[in-house]
Amino acid sequence: GAVVSQHPSRVICKSGTSVKIECRSLDFQATTMFWYRQFPKQSLMLMATSNEGSKATYEQGVEKDKFLINHASLTLSTLTVTSAHPEDSSFYICSAGNREPPYTFGSGTRLTVV
Amino acid sequence: DAKTTQPPSMDCAEGRAANLPCNHSTISGNEYVYWYRQIHSQGPQYIIHGLKNNETNEMASLIITEDRKSSTLILPHATLRDTAVYYCIVRSGAGSYQLTFGKGTKLSVIP
Repeated sequence: GAVVSQHPSRVICKSGTSVKIECRSLDFQATTMFWYRQFPKQSLMLMATSNEGSKATYEQGVEKDKFLINHASLTLSTLTVTSAHPEDSSFYICSAGNREPPYTFGSGTRLTVV
Repeated sequence: DAKTTQPPSMDCAEGRAANLPCNHSTISGNEYVYWYRQIHSQGPQYIIHGLKNNETNEMASLIITEDRKSSTLILPHATLRDTAVYYCIVRSGAGSYQLTFGKGTKLSVIP
């Protein structure tokens, strides 16, 4: 079945630094990738949708200059959290697919900003 | 996409069937019902989806009422590894592609 690899699984960074999270579709080409954020004891919240070769579409309230998304190929999308602060600490999850669901999700990245 | 309502939590004895309900009374004709689950600190896992007919796969069965206003996910023989948050999502078959997650049902399988 379709596999989505997300790396790293955990990262701790200092406040003010940037962190890059990778999302790869291993055995299929993904025209669309989604990035979600999940705070403790809450549901997943969609941050942005990225289509290969075009700019990402961000959900209302998500700062595009803070959360940089690049989807340069059909198998790789990256999310860069710039100038991270403690309030950015969260569980970040990507999913990938081609047009219609069901989509495959990555295993998530636990970001802790200290 | 139509809104869904699920109970916040349920318990199920190990080995018994787990029946997870979902209400989607405002569903429209071209909207599918998707079920995902999320085990603690992992990404969501796809389970099953359907439009109007009942569906079954190796993981679960999906029963959709005739009026499509509600559905039930059935795990036939729950194990401890089925403890997770289960999300019922209704989504149009065309147009926007994203899946919007609600609060889901926390299923606890009890030994």
